[in-house]
Amino acid sequence: EVQLVESGGGAVQPGRSLRLACSASGFTFSSYWMHWVRHAPGKGLVWVARISRDSRGSSYADSVRGRFTISRDNANNKVFLQMNSLRVDDTSVYYCAREAPGAGDWYFDHWGRGTLVAVSS
Amino acid sequence: SYELTQPPSVSVSPGQTARITCSADLLSKQYSYWYQQKPGQAPMLIIYKHTERPSGIPERFSGSSSGTTVTLTITGVQAEDEADYYCQSTDNTGTFWVIGGGTTLTVL
Repeated sequence: EVQLVESGGGAVQPGRSLRLACSASGFTFSSYWMHWVRHAPGKGLVWVARISRDSRGSSYADSVRGRFTISRDNANNKVFLQMNSLRVDDTSVYYCAREAPGAGDWYFDHWGRGTLVAVSS
Repeated sequence: SYELTQPPSVSVSPGQTARITCSADLLSKQYSYWYQQKPGQAPMLIIYKHTERPSGIPERFSGSSSGTTVTLTITGVQAEDEADYYCQSTDNTGTFWVIGGGTTLTVL
């Protein structure tokens, strides 16, 4: 069974940093592109970042580019989101999501349960 | 950057048909995907590639596409369908992804 479990969320002050992790199991992790998606309270889902199977390629939403960095450790089946210069509007539940495996199948086929990041002074 | 436009809310009575639209120029060239999210839960894929339904998704859920607008249709809405619905797509290389603002379906 595919499982994605996020960790590392918590309360943090504006301007500080936080590193989220997502532990994957039940599938061959290194064969899949991975994503982070966030959901702010009372708002909609927002795609945050994507990373290739071998870490050579990544992309970001405009709202986080230059502040957030996605990375992965295929040996330990983990994907990370390093979040720097956090702002109040980064407050969200952050989901780890797996991209569907087929070429051109650009959708999320599995999601974690999310971890809450609360940015407040 | 890209934007997908959805109505904030749709309300229907049980047994009626709900239609939720999603609009953007890129949808005339790129596939759309739909997710259902209930409170406290992770999103779940319900439609892929405009019209395809994953296994396990009830037949009352269907998708269609016309030009720059795609539509999620729920025929014979049930109380359990009350949820937020999101459309999603990408640029033509799959590099940048975009999710619509979401539509809250209320079953009256």
